[in-house]
Amino acid sequence: DTGVSQNPRHKITKRGQNVTFRCDPISEHNRLYWYRQTLGQGPEFLTYFQNEAQLEKSRLLSDRFSAERPKGSFSTLEIQRTEQGDSAMYLCASSLGAGELDIQYFGAGTRLSVL
Amino acid sequence: AQSVTQLGSHVSVSEGALVLLRCNYSSSVPPYLFWYVQYPNQGLQLLLKYTTGATLVKGINGFEAEFKKSETSFHLTKPSAHMSDAAEYFCAVINGWGGGNKLTFGTGTQLKVEL
Repeated sequence: DTGVSQNPRHKITKRGQNVTFRCDPISEHNRLYWYRQTLGQGPEFLTYFQNEAQLEKSRLLSDRFSAERPKGSFSTLEIQRTEQGDSAMYLCASSLGAGELDIQYFGAGTRLSVL
Repeated sequence: AQSVTQLGSHVSVSEGALVLLRCNYSSSVPPYLFWYVQYPNQGLQLLLKYTTGATLVKGINGFEAEFKKSETSFHLTKPSAHMSDAAEYFCAVINGWGGGNKLTFGTGTQLKVEL
Protein backbone atom coordinates (compact mmCIF):
# COMPACT_ATOMS: atom_id res chain seq x y z
CA ASP A 1 0.00 0.00 0.00
CA THR A 2 1.82 3.06 -1.24
CA GLY A 3 -0.93 5.54 -0.45
CA VAL A 4 -2.66 8.02 -2.74
CA SER A 5 -0.23 9.54 -5.21
CA GLN A 6 -0.72 12.89 -6.96
CA ASN A 7 1.32 14.39 -9.76
CA PRO A 8 2.66 16.91 -10.26
CA ARG A 9 3.15 18.28 -6.76
CA HIS A 10 3.40 21.81 -8.05
CA LYS A 11 2.23 23.43 -11.27
CA ILE A 12 2.80 26.99 -12.35
CA THR A 13 0.94 28.14 -15.44
CA LYS A 14 -0.08 31.29 -17.21
CA ARG A 15 -3.67 32.44 -17.29
CA GLY A 16 -5.54 30.92 -20.21
CA GLN A 17 -3.47 27.74 -20.38
CA ASN A 18 -4.85 24.25 -19.82
CA VAL A 19 -3.53 22.05 -17.02
CA THR A 20 -4.05 18.41 -16.11
CA PHE A 21 -3.44 16.70 -12.80
CA ARG A 22 -3.24 13.01 -12.09
CA CYS A 23 -4.28 10.98 -9.07
CA ASP A 24 -3.42 7.33 -8.43
CA PRO A 25 -5.62 5.95 -5.66
CA ILE A 26 -4.82 3.16 -3.26
CA SER A 27 -5.23 -0.07 -5.19
CA GLU A 28 -8.65 -1.73 -4.85
CA HIS A 29 -10.25 1.51 -3.66
CA ASN A 30 -13.51 1.92 -5.56
CA ARG A 31 -14.18 5.55 -4.74
CA LEU A 32 -12.09 8.52 -5.73
CA TYR A 33 -12.70 12.11 -4.68
CA TRP A 34 -11.38 15.49 -5.74
CA TYR A 35 -11.30 18.46 -3.36
CA ARG A 36 -9.98 21.99 -3.70
CA GLN A 37 -8.31 23.86 -0.86
CA THR A 38 -7.65 27.60 -1.03
CA LEU A 39 -5.48 29.52 1.40
CA GLY A 40 -7.00 29.71 4.86
CA GLN A 41 -9.89 27.42 4.00
CA GLY A 42 -10.71 23.79 4.47
CA PRO A 43 -10.93 21.46 1.49
CA GLU A 44 -14.11 21.77 -0.58
CA PHE A 45 -15.67 18.85 -2.43
CA LEU A 46 -15.48 18.98 -6.22
CA THR A 47 -16.50 15.56 -7.53
CA TYR A 48 -16.32 11.83 -6.89
CA PHE A 49 -16.21 8.57 -8.81
CA GLN A 50 -17.49 5.13 -7.99
CA ASN A 51 -15.24 2.98 -10.13
CA GLU A 52 -15.30 4.69 -13.55
CA ALA A 53 -18.64 6.45 -13.06
CA GLN A 54 -18.66 10.10 -12.05
CA LEU A 55 -21.59 10.20 -9.64
CA GLU A 56 -21.62 13.72 -8.29
CA LYS A 57 -20.23 17.10 -9.20
CA SER A 58 -20.19 20.21 -7.04
CA ARG A 59 -21.43 23.50 -8.42
CA LEU A 60 -17.84 24.64 -7.78
CA LEU A 61 -16.91 22.54 -10.80
CA SER A 62 -17.47 24.95 -13.65
CA ASP A 63 -17.62 23.82 -17.26
CA ARG A 64 -13.90 24.59 -17.56
CA PHE A 65 -13.22 21.65 -15.24
CA SER A 66 -13.45 18.04 -16.32
CA ALA A 67 -12.53 14.89 -14.47
CA GLU A 68 -12.18 11.35 -15.72
CA ARG A 69 -11.43 7.98 -14.25
CA PRO A 70 -10.96 5.57 -17.15
CA LYS A 71 -11.18 1.91 -16.20
CA GLY A 72 -11.80 2.85 -12.59
CA SER A 73 -8.13 3.23 -11.78
CA PHE A 74 -6.27 6.55 -11.88
CA SER A 75 -8.10 9.83 -12.36
CA THR A 76 -7.29 13.07 -14.13
CA LEU A 77 -8.58 16.54 -13.43
CA GLU A 78 -8.26 19.03 -16.28
CA ILE A 79 -8.77 22.75 -16.05
CA GLN A 80 -9.18 24.59 -19.33
CA ARG A 81 -8.47 28.29 -19.82
CA THR A 82 -7.12 28.69 -16.32
CA GLU A 83 -7.94 31.81 -14.33
CA GLN A 84 -6.13 33.31 -11.37
CA GLY A 85 -9.02 32.22 -9.15
CA ASP A 86 -8.16 28.61 -9.94
CA SER A 87 -4.98 28.92 -7.88
CA ALA A 88 -5.37 26.41 -5.06
CA MET A 89 -4.30 23.05 -3.72
CA TYR A 90 -6.13 20.21 -5.47
CA LEU A 91 -6.48 17.18 -3.24
CA CYS A 92 -7.39 13.66 -4.24
CA ALA A 93 -8.71 11.02 -1.85
CA SER A 94 -9.74 7.41 -2.24
CA SER A 95 -11.81 4.99 -0.22
CA LEU A 96 -13.04 1.43 -0.32
CA GLY A 97 -16.64 2.57 -0.71
CA ALA A 98 -17.86 0.07 1.86
CA GLY A 99 -20.22 1.77 4.29
CA GLU A 100 -18.85 2.40 7.74
CA LEU A 101 -15.39 1.39 6.57
CA ASP A 102 -15.41 4.14 3.99
CA ILE A 103 -12.56 6.24 5.30
CA GLN A 104 -11.04 8.64 2.80
CA TYR A 105 -7.27 8.63 2.44
CA PHE A 106 -5.75 11.77 1.01
CA GLY A 107 -2.83 12.40 -1.26
CA ALA A 108 -0.35 15.22 -0.72
CA GLY A 109 -2.08 17.37 -3.32
CA THR A 110 -1.14 19.38 -6.40
CA ARG A 111 -0.54 23.05 -5.77
CA LEU A 112 -1.59 25.15 -8.78
CA SER A 113 -0.41 28.70 -9.25
CA VAL A 114 -1.94 30.67 -12.12
CA LEU A 115 0.05 33.76 -13.05
CA ALA B 1 -27.03 20.92 4.49
CA GLN B 2 -24.39 19.96 6.98
CA SER B 3 -21.69 22.38 8.10
CA VAL B 4 -18.82 22.61 10.54
CA THR B 5 -17.51 25.59 12.48
CA GLN B 6 -14.06 25.63 13.99
CA LEU B 7 -13.57 28.33 16.59
CA GLY B 8 -10.11 29.85 16.53
CA SER B 9 -8.09 29.80 13.34
CA HIS B 10 -4.88 29.83 15.39
CA VAL B 11 -4.22 28.20 18.76
CA SER B 12 -0.93 28.42 20.63
CA VAL B 13 0.00 26.22 23.59
CA SER B 14 3.13 25.47 25.55
CA GLU B 15 4.76 22.08 25.25
CA GLY B 16 3.20 19.81 27.86
CA ALA B 17 0.01 21.85 28.12
CA LEU B 18 -3.51 20.74 27.30
CA VAL B 19 -4.58 21.02 23.68
CA LEU B 20 -8.23 21.92 23.01
CA LEU B 21 -9.43 22.52 19.46
CA ARG B 22 -13.10 23.36 19.10
CA CYS B 23 -15.55 22.08 16.52
CA ASN B 24 -19.30 22.59 16.30
CA TYR B 25 -21.44 21.01 13.63
CA SER B 26 -24.81 21.53 12.07
CA SER B 27 -26.64 18.55 10.67
CA SER B 28 -30.24 17.59 10.03
CA VAL B 29 -29.52 13.92 10.68
CA PRO B 30 -27.14 12.11 13.03
CA PRO B 31 -23.70 13.12 11.81
CA TYR B 32 -20.53 11.21 11.30
CA LEU B 33 -17.62 13.36 12.44
CA PHE B 34 -13.92 13.34 11.74
CA TRP B 35 -10.72 15.12 12.70
CA TYR B 36 -7.92 15.28 10.16
CA VAL B 37 -4.41 16.69 10.59
CA GLN B 38 -2.35 18.28 7.84
CA TYR B 39 1.40 18.74 8.17
CA PRO B 40 3.17 21.17 5.81
CA ASN B 41 3.39 19.87 2.26
CA GLN B 42 1.55 16.70 3.15
CA GLY B 43 -1.96 15.36 2.64
CA LEU B 44 -4.62 15.11 5.30
CA GLN B 45 -4.25 12.26 7.78
CA LEU B 46 -7.19 10.88 9.74
CA LEU B 47 -6.80 11.38 13.50
CA LEU B 48 -10.09 9.90 14.65
CA LYS B 49 -13.74 9.46 13.76
CA TYR B 50 -17.12 9.19 15.40
CA THR B 51 -19.85 7.16 13.72
CA THR B 52 -22.02 5.49 16.35
CA GLY B 53 -21.57 4.01 19.81
CA ALA B 54 -19.19 5.40 22.41
CA THR B 55 -19.17 9.18 22.34
CA LEU B 56 -15.57 9.47 23.53
CA VAL B 57 -13.31 8.36 20.72
CA LYS B 58 -9.58 7.90 20.86
CA GLY B 59 -7.31 8.48 17.91
CA ILE B 60 -3.69 8.41 16.98
CA ASN B 61 -0.90 10.35 18.67
CA GLY B 62 -2.78 10.61 21.99
CA PHE B 63 -5.68 12.69 20.67
CA GLU B 64 -9.28 12.11 21.62
CA ALA B 65 -12.63 13.77 20.96
CA GLU B 66 -16.04 13.65 22.56
CA PHE B 67 -19.30 13.80 20.63
CA LYS B 68 -21.85 15.89 22.52
CA LYS B 69 -25.18 15.89 20.76
CA SER B 70 -26.76 18.39 23.13
CA GLU B 71 -24.01 20.89 22.39
CA THR B 72 -23.56 19.87 18.72
CA SER B 73 -19.86 19.72 19.44
CA PHE B 74 -16.92 17.44 18.69
CA HIS B 75 -13.93 19.10 20.35
CA LEU B 76 -10.45 17.60 19.98
CA THR B 77 -8.18 17.30 23.02
CA LYS B 78 -4.76 16.03 23.98
CA PRO B 79 -3.59 16.11 27.60
CA SER B 80 0.00 17.10 26.87
CA ALA B 81 1.16 18.89 23.73
CA HIS B 82 4.33 17.89 21.95
CA MET B 83 6.33 19.94 19.49
CA SER B 84 5.48 17.41 16.78
CA ASP B 85 1.77 18.25 17.17
CA ALA B 86 2.27 21.59 15.42
CA ALA B 87 0.11 21.34 12.29
CA GLU B 88 -3.27 22.34 10.90
CA TYR B 89 -6.30 20.46 12.15
CA PHE B 90 -9.59 20.10 10.30
CA CYS B 91 -12.93 18.97 11.62
CA ALA B 92 -15.25 17.40 9.03
CA VAL B 93 -18.74 15.93 8.81
CA ILE B 94 -20.61 13.46 6.64
CA ASN B 95 -24.39 13.26 6.74
CA GLY B 96 -24.63 9.51 7.07
CA TRP B 97 -23.12 6.87 4.85
CA GLY B 98 -24.05 6.30 1.28
CA GLY B 99 -24.64 8.84 -1.45
CA GLY B 100 -20.96 9.51 -1.90
CA ASN B 101 -19.94 10.28 1.68
CA LYS B 102 -18.40 13.56 0.66
CA LEU B 103 -16.76 15.42 3.51
CA THR B 104 -17.65 18.95 4.54
CA PHE B 105 -14.67 20.55 6.28
CA GLY B 106 -14.27 23.41 8.68
CA THR B 107 -11.83 26.21 7.94
CA GLY B 108 -9.12 24.62 10.05
CA THR B 109 -7.17 25.50 13.18
CA GLN B 110 -3.42 26.05 13.05
CA LEU B 111 -1.84 24.67 16.22
CA LYS B 112 1.44 26.17 17.38
CA VAL B 113 3.40 24.50 20.18
CA GLU B 114 5.94 26.63 22.01
CA LEU B 115 8.79 25.62 24.30
